Amino acid sequence: GDSVTQMQGQVTLSEDDFLFINCTYSTTWYPTLFWYVQYPGEGPQLLLKVTTANNKGISRGFEATYDKGTTSFHLQKASVQESDSAVYYCVLGGTQVVGQLTFGRGTRLQVYA
Amino acid sequence: EAAVTQSPRNKVAVTGGKVTLSCNQTNNHNNMYWYRQDTGHGLRLIHYSYGAGSTEKGDIPDGYKASRPSQENFSLILELATPSQTSVYFCASGDPDWGIYEQYFGPGTRLTVL
Repeated sequence: GDSVTQMQGQVTLSEDDFLFINCTYSTTWYPTLFWYVQYPGEGPQLLLKVTTANNKGISRGFEATYDKGTTSFHLQKASVQESDSAVYYCVLGGTQVVGQLTFGRGTRLQVYA
Repeated sequence: EAAVTQSPRNKVAVTGGKVTLSCNQTNNHNNMYWYRQDTGHGLRLIHYSYGAGSTEKGDIPDGYKASRPSQENFSLILELATPSQTSVYFCASGDPDWGIYEQYFGPGTRLTVL
């Protein structure tokens, strides 16, 4: 079945630092990959969607791409702000069950002013 | 704006008791989902539904039942709650666009089983 591996459990940065979070995925079909963000006390919300390998998804200063060759996808931001502190999930769109999402474990980002 | 709401937001239950978590969506989406969130596991799918009257098993359905009486409402039922079911539960709705689409999540229900 589909799976997502998200190794970075916690990332701590200072404002204006560069952010990079990496995930790997496994699927037998053509993937669509998402990044969801969850703020304290809220449910996850969509941040970015990437439907084609090597094409970028861009939103709110964040960029995401995926590489079919290495089955990896990543999220980056050039300059983080304290307000970016949240949990970020890499998510694989359902390839076997229509509409199903497979979540990684999440990366907690803490940004200090 | 379209919304997914959950009730209750917090629940304390006793082992062996029955718990019902409710979800309502105004998105007019066909599909609805129940997940649980635990540290180190991200979100894991318990049950989902394609529409009124439909319920399907997700990845971790054991100990849970689901009910979809209408387009708007989707419930998760724990007939005999156990401490291992202590978690945060999220409901979501979505509508397929040739298989790939986003989901809209509610604010979550924190369940503690003593």
